[in-house]
Amino acid sequence: EDQVTQSPEALRLQEGESSSLNCSYTVSGLRGLFWYRQDPGKGPEFLFTLYSAGEEKEKERLKATLTKKESFLHITAPKPEDSATYLCARTSGSRLTFGEGTQLTVNP
Amino acid sequence: EAQVTQNPRYLITVTGKKLTVTCSQNMNHEYMSWYRQDPGLGLRQIYYSMNVEVTDKGDVPEGYKVSRKEKRNFPLILESPSPNQTSLYFCASSWRLAGRPYQETQYFGPGTRLLVL
Repeated sequence: EDQVTQSPEALRLQEGESSSLNCSYTVSGLRGLFWYRQDPGKGPEFLFTLYSAGEEKEKERLKATLTKKESFLHITAPKPEDSATYLCARTSGSRLTFGEGTQLTVNP
Repeated sequence: EAQVTQNPRYLITVTGKKLTVTCSQNMNHEYMSWYRQDPGLGLRQIYYSMNVEVTDKGDVPEGYKVSRKEKRNFPLILESPSPNQTSLYFCASSWRLAGRPYQETQYFGPGTRLLVL
């Protein structure tokens, strides 16, 4: 069974305080690992796709990395507008399995 | 504007009264999918469709039906809703780059909040 586990469940940071979110997943049959951002009351917004161990992608203050068992979303010098729930998901074909998300709050 | 639309956005109904939530996309995407989101359980895939007349079950299909008669539309049907189907529902669509999973750059709709009494 495909599984995705995210940690921590919630994270509070001060503006400018860098940190990382973790996503661990079942390895078997992995074809892609995705990161999404979700704001309250809205649908998830696509951020990154990673396909193979060692791959990295960046967008503004966010950088996603992938190892054989985990993915990390690094947030460098976050701003209050980065506050959101960050979702990790994996696909082994046409089905997509999400983690429960990490709720990030960045205080000014 | 490229978008996925869902209707209605909010719905209160009673147990057993059939309902349909519509989903439409204007991006000519092949792949469409329905999810439900519940506190503590995250987003779970209900059904997906890789093209017209091609649908398949996700992780939680019980109590739901779908159809894909046109490329742009993918309605979610609850034949006999029950209180445990109270949830926030999202429709999503995406195209497929050659050799890549369908879910890359998946666009989500705004969500439909359903309460079944």
